[in-house]
Parts: sequence; structure tokens; C-alpha cells
Amino acid sequence: EAQLLESGGGLVQPGGSLRLSCAASGFTFSSYAMNWVRQAPGKGLEWVSTISSSGGSTYYADSVKGRFTISRDNSKNTLSLQMNSLRAEDTALYYCAKDSGTYSAWFDPWGQGTLVTVSS
Amino acid sequence: SYVLTQPPSVSVAPGQTARITCGGNNIGGKSVHWYQQKPGQAPVLVVYDDSDRPSGIPERFSGSNSGNTATLTISRVEAGDEADYYCQVWDSSSDHRYVFGTGTKVTVL
Repeated sequence: EAQLLESGGGLVQPGGSLRLSCAASGFTFSSYAMNWVRQAPGKGLEWVSTISSSGGSTYYADSVKGRFTISRDNSKNTLSLQMNSLRAEDTALYYCAKDSGTYSAWFDPWGQGTLVTVSS
Repeated sequence: SYVLTQPPSVSVAPGQTARITCGGNNIGGKSVHWYQQKPGQAPVLVVYDDSDRPSGIPERFSGSNSGNTATLTISRVEAGDEADYYCQVWDSSSDHRYVFGTGTKVTVL
């Protein structure tokens, strides 16, 4: 059974940085694209970033482009999200999610999320 | 950018049928996926590719997609189905964009 476990969230001041990690198990991590999706308190789901299975291609939502960097270590089955220049509007629960690996692209499963709070 | 619109809320009595719509421009030409999110929990995939169910999801959950509207139908609603539901597509017309609907809160009366 595929499982994902996020870590690294916390309280950070505006303009600060934070690095999230996601440990994957139960599937061949190196064969699947991986994603970060966030959910602001009381709000809906927002796609943040995707990285291809090899790590050679990355994609970002306009809201985080230039500030966030997604990466992966296939030898350690780990996904990361480096978040710089954080803003109050980045406050959210950040989920990592396995990509379906198909053209139509869905997310399954999801981790339990890690909370990022940007506040002074 | 591509927009998916859902009703904010749907109320249904136990044993009845709940229908949750997801509107988007020519959404019938895309594959739609649906997620269930219960309070304090991560989203769970309940329907993918318009109408397929992952293993472990009850047959009571079904989906359809045509024209400008996709629909998630929950038959014989149970109290445990009370949750937020989100539709999602991959927008191939833009730079690798995953788009989520606005979300629908299903309340079991």
C-alpha cells in the first residue's frame, strides 16, 4: 500500500524560508511523478507543484513560481519543497500526493499534510 | 485559466441520492476526478476518469461527464458520506496545470 508522510512545516516570518519533505513507501517511487497541493485554512484545494519521475521536469502554479522549488531524491524515496520569500497567503496545510502516471492525471494517495504558518 | 465551478453545498436525507455538479467549459472533453475530504483528514480519491472507482470505494459512488457539466452521484447516502467533495481535471491547454473545483459541502440531514 502506497503511503506518504510529510514533515517540515512550522511557523515562519514573512520573507522567510522553509523546506518541506515527503517520505514515500509502498510503491516504486522513481516511476511516478509527484505533487504538492495546499489548502489554506477553511479554503479549497490548490495545486502547487509537480515533478516528473526522473526529476528532469518541474511545474509550478503561478502563485509560487520563482519562490518555491520542488525536488526529489529517488535513492531515498523523498520529495521536497523549498519555499522561499514566504507570504501570509502561503499559510496552508501542504499535502504531497502521488501522481497517477496517466495522461488524465489524478492524485492518489495523499499524505496527511504538514501545516505552514506565515506570520510575524 | 480553466475554472471549475461547484455548488457550495448540497443537503440530502439518509438513503436518498446526492448529486454534485462540476461545471467547466467543455468539461466533457476532459477526464474528471473526484475527491472526498472529511473534516481533519486528507482528500481521498473516490472517482477517476469520469466514472471509474478505485478499489475500496463503494459502488454507491458514481460519476458522469458530458458537455459543460460533470456529476458525482452518491446513491443511498449514509451519514458517513458527509464531507467536502472536489472535482479535478488536468488542463492540457496550459503549462501543466492541475485544476480543482471550488468544493461542495455535502450535509446529511
